[in-house]
Amino acid sequence: DQQVKQNSPSLSVQEGRISILNCDYTNSMFDYFLWYKKYPAEGPTFLISISSIKDKNEDGRFTVFLNKSAKHLSLHIVPSQPGDSAVYFCAASTGTASKLTFGTGTRLQVTL
Amino acid sequence: DTGVSQDPRHKITKRGQNVTFRCDPISEHNRLYWYRQTLGQGPEFLTYFQNEAQLEKSRLLSDRFSAERPKGSFSTLEIQRTEQGDSAMYLCASSSDFLNYGYTFGSGTRLTVV
Repeated sequence: DQQVKQNSPSLSVQEGRISILNCDYTNSMFDYFLWYKKYPAEGPTFLISISSIKDKNEDGRFTVFLNKSAKHLSLHIVPSQPGDSAVYFCAASTGTASKLTFGTGTRLQVTL
Repeated sequence: DTGVSQDPRHKITKRGQNVTFRCDPISEHNRLYWYRQTLGQGPEFLTYFQNEAQLEKSRLLSDRFSAERPKGSFSTLEIQRTEQGDSAMYLCASSSDFLNYGYTFGSGTRLTVV
């Protein structure tokens, strides 16, 4: 039962353009969402998070949007840079339990 | 503090052997987590500790798996009688202010059971 889904296994974007990574969830009890970035041979690195009481959170080039009615969130990266090339994981938790349920990841490649 | 450290980075073992992994969290973090990641999947929750108390275990953590965090500092994850299906990356993470900063993950221990 995949409660957090990332349906695009890969995405290729030109440098300077916008990257949009999508994530859907099925568990309506999830109320806190995070995005992680992972380079090969390293552990995932926290990028940005959003609480279910908000619909948008921004941090520099990264913005996360949450649509609770659609159970959908997205990560926007503007402008995309070659160093953003990595696997991006969406994750969700319930309350402050802090146990995370991860999606399967989207591999982003930013080309010159 | 250099972040979350995991040892070893790689482990190859024969089926049926026992293995133990160690995780040293960021010193001021009171929560410690173990996750497992297989190829093409996201990390899957195994267990977590708040200080020395193990507060939750996943059903993925069969009787062959045990985790400890003595004195609320480092943690060990032991797998007894390893099986080929145990081959995966085992990730440790720690946190203090989860809601604002998520977890900090270590680089993981890659286990290969042959």
